[in-house]
Amino acid sequence: DVKVTQSSRYLVKRTGEKVFLECVQDMDHENMFWYRQDPGLGLRLIYFSYDVKMKEKGDIPEGYSVSREKKERFSLILESASTNQTSMYLCASSFSGTGVPNEAFFGQGTRLTVV
Amino acid sequence: QKEVEQNSGPLSVPEGAIASLNCTYSDRVSQSFFWYRQYSGKSPELIMSIYSNGDKEDGRFTAQLNKASQYVSLLIRDSQPSDSATYLCAVKSRGSNYKLTFGKGTLLTVNP
Repeated sequence: DVKVTQSSRYLVKRTGEKVFLECVQDMDHENMFWYRQDPGLGLRLIYFSYDVKMKEKGDIPEGYSVSREKKERFSLILESASTNQTSMYLCASSFSGTGVPNEAFFGQGTRLTVV
Repeated sequence: QKEVEQNSGPLSVPEGAIASLNCTYSDRVSQSFFWYRQYSGKSPELIMSIYSNGDKEDGRFTAQLNKASQYVSLLIRDSQPSDSATYLCAVKSRGSNYKLTFGKGTLLTVNP
């Protein structure tokens, strides 16, 4: 079974703190993603990475950065947490290319609350 | 802007009935289609994938794809209360090796 593991299930942080969310996958997937999910807004892509050290902005990258130093690990960084970043954060991974299954597999999610 | 549209619901069906969930997409060159189930407070889990026109069956679930109409659906036969969840439709464009576009999901409630 594909396993995508996020480092925390729940986090509470203070405004202005630097926050690290970690994600590890064990399926040798090329692609890794960070989404946030808010009621009524659906899943919104923050950043994705298609290879080690490679990253691209998604739909809502402002206030976030990412790091991918190893293929299996993708980190999301909130440089200075704000209350409007309170959300459910979901990491996902998938294979790349055509002719292969491209479905994304999700981690269990991190519910982040910024106070 | 590539879009994936779903009726937000809630869709309410009695136990044992067939639940029909629908999704339309705007990008004509989309090639891969996925249905995810998401329980409240949990992360999405993959139920079905479909890549060619027609029906694909897996147990009580059937995915239907019509590329000419840009339409994909999910049928759940013999619905159970445990099927109550939000169902997300996701689409991958031929032009992208990685990016999925998600609909906002349809909330399904199965009443005992």
